[in-house]
Amino acid sequence: GEDVEQSLFLSVREGDSSVINCTYTDSSSTYLYWYKQEPGAGLQLLTYIFSNMDMKQDQRLTVLLNKKDKHLSLRIADTQTGDSAIYFCAESGYGGSQGNLIFGKGTKLSVKP
Amino acid sequence: ETGVTQSPTHLIKTRGQQVTLRCSSQSGHNTVSWYQQALGQGPQFIFQYYREEENGRGNFPPRFSGLQFPNYSSELNVNALELDDSALYLCASSLTAGNTEAFFGQGTRLTVV
Repeated sequence: GEDVEQSLFLSVREGDSSVINCTYTDSSSTYLYWYKQEPGAGLQLLTYIFSNMDMKQDQRLTVLLNKKDKHLSLRIADTQTGDSAIYFCAESGYGGSQGNLIFGKGTKLSVKP
Repeated sequence: ETGVTQSPTHLIKTRGQQVTLRCSSQSGHNTVSWYQQALGQGPQFIFQYYREEENGRGNFPPRFSGLQFPNYSSELNVNALELDDSALYLCASSLTAGNTEAFFGQGTRLTVV
């Protein structure tokens, strides 16, 4: 079956880089996504990567995809206290669209000043 | 361009009752997806509506039903509420069913007592 796994917690110091890891099982996933959720809020799409790419960079965010190992990572450079949140990895389900996303349980990132 | 709005923001219901949650999609978007996010978990796909028709469904019982209206706003109805239905219900809209980007609302926090 489809499953997305993430470590539950990550703690870093302000200014350091954060790396959040994720593994997924469905090799047919077309897109893989990273979302951010702040307390009491909905989900904010941070970035996504097409499955035929191995890297995507967007300002402080770098996504790496190892399709062979079904491993996805999100690197946040120069982490700030405002980056403290829960980060969800998700893979596209049927049809490849965002309509049917399979999410991990989320990684809670704590940034210490 | 207005974002995705959900109502109400919070709701308390008694076991066995019925509830209707509402979602206004982003302007120009014809696709709405609903997700259930239990405490400490990632969101789980309930179903998607595209141009007023159901376009995919997750592993939820038939007492979870939905509607999409001609203006593409949507409702999620849950009958015979159970304690385990307590969760944050998220709505996401996208330009069309195959689009890669979806935008989430702030969610409705449902508590069943």
